[in-house]
Amino acid sequence: SQTIHQWPATLVQPVGSPLSLECTVEGTSNPNLYWYRQAAGRGLQLLFYSVGIGQISSEVPQNLSASRPQDRQFILSSKKLLLSDSGFYLCAWSIPGQGGEQYFGPGTRLTVT
Amino acid sequence: AQTVTQSQPEMSVQEAETVTLSCTYDTSESDYYLFWYKQPPSRQMILVIRQEAYKQQNATENRFSVNFQKAAKSFSLKISDSQLGDAAMYFCAYRSPGTYKYIFGTGTRLKVLA
Repeated sequence: SQTIHQWPATLVQPVGSPLSLECTVEGTSNPNLYWYRQAAGRGLQLLFYSVGIGQISSEVPQNLSASRPQDRQFILSSKKLLLSDSGFYLCAWSIPGQGGEQYFGPGTRLTVT
Repeated sequence: AQTVTQSQPEMSVQEAETVTLSCTYDTSESDYYLFWYKQPPSRQMILVIRQEAYKQQNATENRFSVNFQKAAKSFSLKISDSQLGDAAMYFCAYRSPGTYKYIFGTGTRLKVLA
């Protein structure tokens, strides 16, 4: 069966520090991968998605970047965090093709101080 | 562009009763996919139910069922015999088969009263 991992679960970082959040998927090949951010009590904002290694699409201009160095690995990064980067970050995957639902990881709670 | 609207920010239901959460969407496409996700306090998103637009039959999963009205662009979720564990945020989502993106509503917080 497929599983998705995210780490760390919780992170507190000072303003101006770098960020690296990692997401890996097991049990499937060539998944579509997604990064979302969710502010407290709000909906999901799509940040990036990827349909293959090295293929990244950005949805929102921001202080963040994403990379996909391996088929089942998706990394969210920042060189210098802003206070507004605080939030709950969710990684998700879906099976390529039509109609596939998304499966979400457990999320990372990021607090920028 | 497609949009998804959940007009009920919060709903309450008595344990063992039935509740319906509303979702409407806007699209010019005839083929698409709709989903309901549950986000409990742990905040991990869990797929509740899925509906293909080309299927007229409403999807069901145990106590969860949908009322899919394609012409009205409505996709409501009915939870029967509500349980305390059903308390969560519920998100409606839309996906076009021609894209990789999912469009989410703003969510409805469901409270289950003992």
